[in-house]
Amino acid sequence: DSGVTQTPKHLITATGQRVTLRCSPRSGDLSVYWYQQSLDQGLQFLIQYYNGEERAKGNILERFSAQQFPDLHSELNLSSLELGDSALYFCASSVVGEAGNTIYFGEGSWLTVV
Amino acid sequence: AQTVTQSQPEMSVQEAETVTLSCTYDTSENNYYLFWYKQPPSRQMILVIRQEAYKQQNATENRFSVNFQKAAKSFSLKISDSQLGDTAMYFCAFTAYTSGTYKYIFGTGTRLKVLA
Repeated sequence: DSGVTQTPKHLITATGQRVTLRCSPRSGDLSVYWYQQSLDQGLQFLIQYYNGEERAKGNILERFSAQQFPDLHSELNLSSLELGDSALYFCASSVVGEAGNTIYFGEGSWLTVV
Repeated sequence: AQTVTQSQPEMSVQEAETVTLSCTYDTSENNYYLFWYKQPPSRQMILVIRQEAYKQQNATENRFSVNFQKAAKSFSLKISDSQLGDTAMYFCAFTAYTSGTYKYIFGTGTRLKVLA
């Protein structure tokens, strides 16, 4: 158990809909990262937050948005969903200077768009 | 730009044998960290081993060890006494403090199959 919690674990929704994925980082971790992994693909970095502020942006679509709340949990909002958005969405967290700056991953949220 | 390259898309090894997965990276930073993550069929991302660039000694975790060649920018993973449970996708990753934050760059992965 990495200590990073993601909900829901599985989600099936229709095209055009909107979903929210939730992440609770490890206790004390200020940084949260979101990644997308399509079937048999590598990890695509979406966005990073540090203590509530956006720190880095990757290949995140305009239809997607995220935020980190004062209690450090984060949410990834996916809207106007398309079939190609079907993927495993990972949240990861880290604390600077600890454990070699390792990021720890949650178990992921499986999103299927039908 | 920082990059991580895993040139072996797929590999296989017989149970109990040793296998080495390759990873090269490119960076102009002097202080950075390298990682190997394992992703089994369950798709969970599991840290296997990490290496701090300032440490000359190669990291070791039980049957897993790395060969860190800083000058060559190479970071290979050696799995000894391979077990069926080692069957997974393995990702090499790099991080350094850049533009006010730690950015993590992942390779494209090597799919390892351990054969009985």
